[in-house]
Amino acid sequence: RKEVEQDPGPFNVPEGATVAFNCTYSNSASQSFFWYRQDCRKEPKLLMSVYSSGNEDGRFTAQLNRASQYISLLIRDSKLSDSATYLCVVNTTPGNQFYFGTGTSLTVIP
Amino acid sequence: DVKVTQSSRYLVKRTGEKVFLECVQDMDHENMFWYRQDPGLGLRLIYFSYDVKMKEKGDIPEGYSVSREKKERFSLILESASTNQTSMYLCASSSVLTGTLLVTEAFFGQGTRLTVV
Repeated sequence: RKEVEQDPGPFNVPEGATVAFNCTYSNSASQSFFWYRQDCRKEPKLLMSVYSSGNEDGRFTAQLNRASQYISLLIRDSKLSDSATYLCVVNTTPGNQFYFGTGTSLTVIP
Repeated sequence: DVKVTQSSRYLVKRTGEKVFLECVQDMDHENMFWYRQDPGLGLRLIYFSYDVKMKEKGDIPEGYSVSREKKERFSLILESASTNQTSMYLCASSSVLTGTLLVTEAFFGQGTRLTVV
């Protein structure tokens, strides 16, 4: 079983739409959770960290459900510039490794 | 801003060559990582290091080795490059949040796209 699983998509949504991505993780000892954004042929860049139950930053909201072992990312009022691949990342201590989902592709359509 | 710098953006090497990929971070991070990223497979961990001269195997260490002689530098070595090592290689670093067991996010270098012919 993979450590982190995401729906690969693709998600194609119109501008202004709300879109949600889910991610599940297998190790209940995981402590740190992140959402990254990756543009084509570029390195991943941090979008949000989630250390407690959730985090909100403008149009982006991340939620963590430890009991069900899933993390979600909600994007409101989608912009064309939100088109990218979104990676769910989990870190487990001890061991201190980051486990990456394979990413969810989002295309926002005019 | 944290900066993680990889020595090359693009490399083309021949089968059998020994290849060195260098990574330097400027934030005194304890942890450093090497990943490769391939379409449909996501990021896969090759090796990581949580201290100078320390190294741990990741999920796909075969055909690779690493060196961490200084805290800021983590090198990935392809002992004898093969065509199946053509990939995007990403270096990352992270630290530990003071007084906790939690880690900061991983900061990535810009990636090295390696082609082995």
